[in-house]
Amino acid sequence: NAGVMQNPRHLVRRRGQEARLRCSPMKGHSHVYWYRQLPEEGLKFMVYLQKENIIDESGMPKERFSAEFPKEGPSILRIQQVVRGDSAAYFCASSQDLNSDTIYFGEGSWLTVV
Amino acid sequence: SQQGEEDPQALSIQEGENATMNCSYKTSINNLQWYRQNSGRGLVHLILIRSNEREKHSGRLRVTLDTSKKSSSLLITASRAADTASYFCATDEQAGKLIFGQGTTLQVKP
Repeated sequence: NAGVMQNPRHLVRRRGQEARLRCSPMKGHSHVYWYRQLPEEGLKFMVYLQKENIIDESGMPKERFSAEFPKEGPSILRIQQVVRGDSAAYFCASSQDLNSDTIYFGEGSWLTVV
Repeated sequence: SQQGEEDPQALSIQEGENATMNCSYKTSINNLQWYRQNSGRGLVHLILIRSNEREKHSGRLRVTLDTSKKSSSLLITASRAADTASYFCATDEQAGKLIFGQGTTLQVKP
């Protein structure tokens, strides 16, 4: 049973380009969460999505960042016009339902902006 | 401000010794979880302790929770070099929305 799958694992973008990070939740999971980890820091919540719905985006920066979880296909975290400060590890997690105590994390996508 | 704060920030011990990490939080919680992260890797869930529990064991791990002090501790007994990693506590602001501390970096020397 595959875990949470994220790709790409590593991504290098020049300033001003767009970054797209993909996340396929665990089989049977319909709740997806994105977290960001800046260097030497803990993870910070960004957004919580269910299929076709954004439930909580209180941790998302107001500009340039967007997330979706379409009916078919993986969840996408999109960062437009990247800046050096966007360099971080982006982790996706999933859970089966809202009452799940444990969420399961993917291996992360490491974004480097040069 | 940060919900979970780990202490110490860094810990270096010899193989075979015990390692204790502490976590403090600010608001009321439903449960508290501990995760491990190896360098450049994702988070591995270690243990969850609910707010009505005081202590929980899993293999060489022992977690305590003191809700009156809003603190938790993670004890790793008989540490091994493979335990070298960063350890994070996380509290649940709401389901799935976890608040992580800064982490404790543990180095176990062989």
